[in-house]
Amino acid sequence: DAGITQSPRHKVTETGTPVTLRCHQTENHRYMYWYRQDPGHGLRLIHYSYGVKDTDKGEVSDGYSVSRSKTEDFLLTLESATSSQTSVYFCAISALRDSNQPQHFGDGTRLSIL
Amino acid sequence: GESVGLHLPTLSVQEGDNSIINCAYSNSASDYFIWYKQESGKGPQFIIDIRSNMDKRQGQRVTVLLNKTVKHLSLQIAATQPGDSAVYFCAEGRGFQKLVFGTGTRLLVSP
Repeated sequence: DAGITQSPRHKVTETGTPVTLRCHQTENHRYMYWYRQDPGHGLRLIHYSYGVKDTDKGEVSDGYSVSRSKTEDFLLTLESATSSQTSVYFCAISALRDSNQPQHFGDGTRLSIL
Repeated sequence: GESVGLHLPTLSVQEGDNSIINCAYSNSASDYFIWYKQESGKGPQFIIDIRSNMDKRQGQRVTVLLNKTVKHLSLQIAATQPGDSAVYFCAEGRGFQKLVFGTGTRLLVSP
């Protein structure tokens, strides 16, 4: 298994509170991604990073921010959580820029916003 | 096949049967395709991938077939085992590392 650790694995919080999810990798891969997974939808890209301090938006980035101060850590922040952000969040990593490389995923964070 | 609703399509097979899971992709410009397996409570696990310059690729007990004419991808699992029970979904790659994922098919394997 790829060395990807997501924390926390489960979190319940209230609307309006800030939430930060962490993804930690031990593979020294350059590219990291945050996805959300919801019933009826495939995985949807929130943000991704192509290097330390280099990030870009995905298709569902509204309400989320990210930071990557070290190669191994990629943080996803919900500044003011809303119920629509209740989801399972997955981090993924990949080694190369070439699109012909698989992404490898962590085991997810289940986030419930009440 | 892929689901567009809340309920995943389900394929039920007996242990030892061959399974075929289908996926229709959307973009004729996609040049890279991946199959993932996802077990309950876990993240997607890479199974096999294929580039658009190929129409077949084999792995251990798995084969992926690509038909670009009809934009169709299939995953064949030989001698299906109970441990193969999971949700399987395909992803298509277009552009820099941006994968587009299908919603998946649930495979149920009975002993």
